[in-house]
Amino acid sequence: GDSVTQMEGPVTLSEEAFLTINCTYTATGYPSLFWYVQYPGEGLQLLLKATKADDKGSNKGFEATYRKETTSFHLEKGSVQVSDSAVYFCALSDLDSNSGYALNFGKGTSLLVTP
Amino acid sequence: DAGVTQSPTHLIKTRGQQVTLRCSPKSGHDTVSWYQQALGQGPQFIFQYYEEEERQRGNFPDRFSGHQFPNYSSELNVNALLLGDSALYLCASSLSQETYNEQFFGPGTRLTVL
Repeated sequence: GDSVTQMEGPVTLSEEAFLTINCTYTATGYPSLFWYVQYPGEGLQLLLKATKADDKGSNKGFEATYRKETTSFHLEKGSVQVSDSAVYFCALSDLDSNSGYALNFGKGTSLLVTP
Repeated sequence: DAGVTQSPTHLIKTRGQQVTLRCSPKSGHDTVSWYQQALGQGPQFIFQYYEEEERQRGNFPDRFSGHQFPNYSSELNVNALLLGDSALYLCASSLSQETYNEQFFGPGTRLTVL
């Protein structure tokens, strides 16, 4: 079935460092891919999305490119801020699969940015 | 534009009790999904409601049931609570006509079972 694998955390970076959070997926069809962010004590916020191969999603300085050849959707940001400290979830939706309308999430990667 | 709202924010129950959680979707959305997020884990899909019917269900026992009302709001009911049901319950709404299943989440209800 469909699944998402994220790099293990926690990730600790200094302010203004470059961020990469790896995400790979397994899907039977042509899924849409998402990154969600969860701040402490809150629900999930959609950060960005990509719906077909080679699409690049971007928002708030974060970017991720849908790479079908490597089944990856890595999250990047050129210069992180303390306010980026949160848990980041990679997710997929494959409407052509048995999982249909469900979002399948990775386990999440915790990011801590220090001043 | 109101986002997804959930109530209550927190709940404490004891084993064997029953609980009802409520969700109002984002304005204009007609589909509601429920997820369970255990501590330190990613959300797990419970089920999705559309047109007042359960359209799809994840791998959860029948103790978990739901309902969708004509105004698109939804309830999640859990019977015979177990300690393992302690989690953050997230409601997400979406628009059925949207092609890519983009879902918007509420702040969640934190359920503690003692």
